[in-house]
Amino acid sequence: DAKTTQPPSMDCAEGRAANLPCNHSTISGNEYVYWYRQIHSQGPQYIIHGLKNNETNEMASLIITEDRKSSTLILPHATLRDTAVYYCIVSRDDKIIFGKGTRLHILP
Amino acid sequence: EPEVTQTPSHQVTQMGQEVILRCVPISNHLYFYWYRQILGQKVEFLVSFYNNEISEKSEIFDDQFSVERPDGSNFTLKIRSTKLEDSAMYFCASQPRGGSGANVLTFGAGSRLTVL
Repeated sequence: DAKTTQPPSMDCAEGRAANLPCNHSTISGNEYVYWYRQIHSQGPQYIIHGLKNNETNEMASLIITEDRKSSTLILPHATLRDTAVYYCIVSRDDKIIFGKGTRLHILP
Repeated sequence: EPEVTQTPSHQVTQMGQEVILRCVPISNHLYFYWYRQILGQKVEFLVSFYNNEISEKSEIFDDQFSVERPDGSNFTLKIRSTKLEDSAMYFCASQPRGGSGANVLTFGAGSRLTVL
């Protein structure tokens, strides 16, 4: 009963913007969209989250469509260190549940 | 930057032995979690803990597992009698508050458990 759908893998050239899509067509009004990533076997790392407005922090930008059924995580200038599995998660105020995510390869 | 600390980083044990994995969450955080990741698989939720009691647990978290916050700083996961299939990386996480929009978890680096 996955709440989100992500492509299994993507490539991006180093220095370019990485745009990672996520579909969450069954999102409810009080659920937030969270993005985490996991670099190799390290602990997952929080990136950004939002409800309906676009958000930006030092790591990334989050663009949420007006109907909130999909979103895009943007890494503006991808580096080799951004190679990781990226997880899009929909959650209200309960636990974070990880799916399979998108494996992002940054190509030199 | 504050971090979640986990020990040991790697533990090897014999099947049937008890194992305790330790975590020191960020000091002003109130919610604590354990997750596990079997090699090559996704990160799985085990248990959440708030106000000195379990708030939610998954099907994986059976009677062999227990959690405790024995003092003001440590948060432990005990596996009473380890099985081969308990071999995994175990991640501890903490978050500062509850409520909507608050699921900003900080994860530790993990404890790798190998059961022989």
